[in-house]
Amino acid sequence: GENVEQHPSTLSVQEGDSAVIKCTYSDSASNYFPWYKQELGKRPQLIIDIRSNVGEKKDQRIAVTLNKTAKHFSLHITETQPEDSAVYFCAPGDSWGKLQFGAGTQVVVTP
Amino acid sequence: GAVVSQHPSRVICKSGTSVKIECRSLDFQATTMFWYRQFPKQSLMLMATSNEGSKATYEQGVEKDKFLINHASLTLSTLTVTSAHPEDSSFYICSARDEGGPIASPLHFGNGTRLTVT
Repeated sequence: GENVEQHPSTLSVQEGDSAVIKCTYSDSASNYFPWYKQELGKRPQLIIDIRSNVGEKKDQRIAVTLNKTAKHFSLHITETQPEDSAVYFCAPGDSWGKLQFGAGTQVVVTP
Repeated sequence: GAVVSQHPSRVICKSGTSVKIECRSLDFQATTMFWYRQFPKQSLMLMATSNEGSKATYEQGVEKDKFLINHASLTLSTLTVTSAHPEDSSFYICSARDEGGPIASPLHFGNGTRLTVT
């Protein structure tokens, strides 16, 4: 099965700085690589995803990079804002929706 | 847009009783739905894949007789926690993808069910 590792577990950044979270996975069959943001007591929200035929994808302040050879993908948040504070999960899996979530990263953005 | 509805949002039950949680796709069909469990301050753990018209596929370590999954129609999957105990208290959440949409269509999560067993 898939073994997912996510680092760091906590990340404190000053408002305006960048944040990077890395996710490594083991299953070479994984072809879908999303990042989710979860606020306390709520469902995870997809913030960006990438598929195995693409190396990088960007959406405004959010970007994801994928290295399939090394089996890792990263979330990049630039110009962080207080509302970016939340728990972020990587969840590699297949495009049908079977995902294995990482342990999560608590991001705290201080004004 | 595609929505997954999950009920109830919160439930409190006594030890030994059973609780049923519903996951419904409101405007799309899904032959496959997924059930996750999340303990406080932990990650989402995939419990099982619910397959319409056939048996669910359970992840290693998940008791199939404890967590009964039924996917009797293309829009509804249910998870029944049988003989619930306090250690079953958790946040249960389902997900599904609009299989009639493009391959790149996103996965939709229900709002989750907070189960408390007393």
